[in-house]
Amino acid sequence: KAGVTQTPRYLIKTRGQQVTLSCSPISGHRSVSWYQQTPGQGLQFLFEYFSETQRNKGNFPGRFSGRQFSNSRSEMNVSTLELGDSALYLCASSLSTGGAEEQYFGPGTRLTVT
Amino acid sequence: QQPVQSPQAVILREGEDAVINCSSSKALYSVHWYRQKHGEAPVFLMILLKGGEQKGHDKISASFNEKKQQSSLYLTASQLSYSGTYFCGTENNAGNMLTFGGGTRLMVKP
Repeated sequence: KAGVTQTPRYLIKTRGQQVTLSCSPISGHRSVSWYQQTPGQGLQFLFEYFSETQRNKGNFPGRFSGRQFSNSRSEMNVSTLELGDSALYLCASSLSTGGAEEQYFGPGTRLTVT
Repeated sequence: QQPVQSPQAVILREGEDAVINCSSSKALYSVHWYRQKHGEAPVFLMILLKGGEQKGHDKISASFNEKKQQSSLYLTASQLSYSGTYFCGTENNAGNMLTFGGGTRLMVKP
């Protein structure tokens, strides 16, 4: 079974620009969660989508948004980029969202904002 | 609120044992353990559920004390491949988001 894929793997953007990151979950997985990982803050939850609906949302500003398509692929968007948005963005997929589900992480997208 | 992991870092020799702890101030539904090697994605190790059910790995064990809102990960007879950063993630209710601890860096030396 193919794992979780994320594109692009690396991205350099300028302050004020916007960016869209993509995540394809494992086939059959319907839940996709997004995390931001930085050395200072660790792994922080952004949001979770299940069946095209946002089920949970972390404590991030409205500049961070996401969506999920009918094939379970998900995108996240960050508008008006700030230097502090530089991070590794990880997505993780799981079969469902009923609780205590194993999450399978993708390799991440390394975003650098200059 | 983020769970607290301890220790923050540990260095072992091959064959030695280690315990990593994860504590929460809130009642927990489940505790998840992941290992992340440098430059790689976190990899699932184990889930412990309220009520005692455990899912995961047979080479690494863990416990979940519901009364204390605490979980411990036990790494016995460590191997070089155990090196990495271990994260616990806690779920307060079924279907809630996972909140991760700050991580424990474990290095196993020959």
